[in-house]
Amino acid sequence: DQQVKQNSPSLSVQEGRISILNCDYTNSMFDYFLWYKKYPAEGPTFLISISSIKDKNEDGRFTVFLNKSAKHLSLHIVPSQPGDSAVYFCAASSAKLVFGQGTRLTINP
Amino acid sequence: GAGVSQSPRYKVAKRGQDVALRCDPISGHVSLFWYQQALGQGPEFLTYFQNEAQLDKSGLPSDRFFAERPEGSVSTLKIQRTQQEDSAVYLCASSLRRTGGEKLFFGSGTQLSVL
Repeated sequence: DQQVKQNSPSLSVQEGRISILNCDYTNSMFDYFLWYKKYPAEGPTFLISISSIKDKNEDGRFTVFLNKSAKHLSLHIVPSQPGDSAVYFCAASSAKLVFGQGTRLTINP
Repeated sequence: GAGVSQSPRYKVAKRGQDVALRCDPISGHVSLFWYQQALGQGPEFLTYFQNEAQLDKSGLPSDRFFAERPEGSVSTLKIQRTQQEDSAVYLCASSLRRTGGEKLFFGSGTQLSVL
């Protein structure tokens, strides 16, 4: 039973454009959502988070949107840069973090 | 050290061999987690410690998997009689607080290959 789903295994975006990564969840008890970024041969690193009491959180080029009624969150990166190329994991928590399968983002020059 | 440290970085084991994976969390971090990441998948929860107490081991796939954190700092994940399906990256993470839902700091992982 996959409680957190990232339905797009990969995404390719041109440098300077907006990247939008999506995530759906099924457990209404989740109260905190996070995005992690992972480069090859490294562990995931924290990128941005949002509490369930908010619908938007912004940090520089990164914005996370939460739609609780749809059980959907998204990560917007604008403008996209070549260094943003990585695998992005959505995670949700109640007592522990549950991760999605990841989306491989490629930024093309 | 500044971050979470895991060793060995790579481990090749013959089927049936026992392995031990080590995690050094960030100094002072109360919570420690082990995750298993199969190829092309997201990390999956294995177990969680708060200091030396193992509070949740619901993700351990079988009784061949055992984790400990005897002094509330370094942790070891042991896998007995390894099987090919145990091949994965094993990630350790720590956090400052006492709950499991906040930001975790991950190590680079141990890539285990069982032949």
